[in-house]
Amino acid sequence: DSGVTQTPKHLITATGQRVTLRCSPRSGDLSVYWYQQSLDQGLQFLIHYYNGEERAKGNILERFSAQQFPDLHSELNLSSLELGDSALYFCASSPQAGTQYFGPGTRLLVL
Amino acid sequence: AQKITQTQPGMFVQEKEAVTLDCTYDTSDPSYGLFWYKQPSSGEMIFLIYQGSYDQQNATEGRYSLNFQKARKSANLVISASQLGDSAMYFCAMREGERGSTLGRLYFGRGTQLTVWP
Repeated sequence: DSGVTQTPKHLITATGQRVTLRCSPRSGDLSVYWYQQSLDQGLQFLIHYYNGEERAKGNILERFSAQQFPDLHSELNLSSLELGDSALYFCASSPQAGTQYFGPGTRLLVL
Repeated sequence: AQKITQTQPGMFVQEKEAVTLDCTYDTSDPSYGLFWYKQPSSGEMIFLIYQGSYDQQNATEGRYSLNFQKARKSANLVISASQLGDSAMYFCAMREGERGSTLGRLYFGRGTQLTVWP
């Protein structure tokens, strides 16, 4: 158990819908990262938050947004979902400049 | 250019044997970190081992060791005494700007599927 929690574990929804994925980092970790894993793209970095502030953006679509709250948990919002958004979404946390520990992931299936 | 290259889509090893999973990286940053993660069929990503670019010695963690060859830009994972439970996908990853940087993102390779047979 990495200490990072993600909910829900599985999510099935329809095209055009909006979903929210939630992540709670390890106790004391200020950084939260979101990654998407798909068969064709592999593991892709989406966005990084540090202590509530956005620090870096990767290959994140405009339809996607994220935030980190004062209690350090983070949410990734995916809207206007398309079939191609089906993937495994990981959250990872780390202390500053430390190893990233991954949560169990949320499997999203868009039908 | 790919930041991380894993050229072996699949590897097979017999139980109790050692196996090496290859990883090469590409960066112009003098300061970086290299990681290996294991992803079993259940899907979670498990951190295995870390090597910093300024580390003089190869990292080791139990049965895992990282064969770091800086001039060749390679960071191969060696698993000694393979076990059936080692069957999984293994990912090599890199983070640039280790010292004081806040960048932090990981670049991943495409992974190597390791199968351990009895």
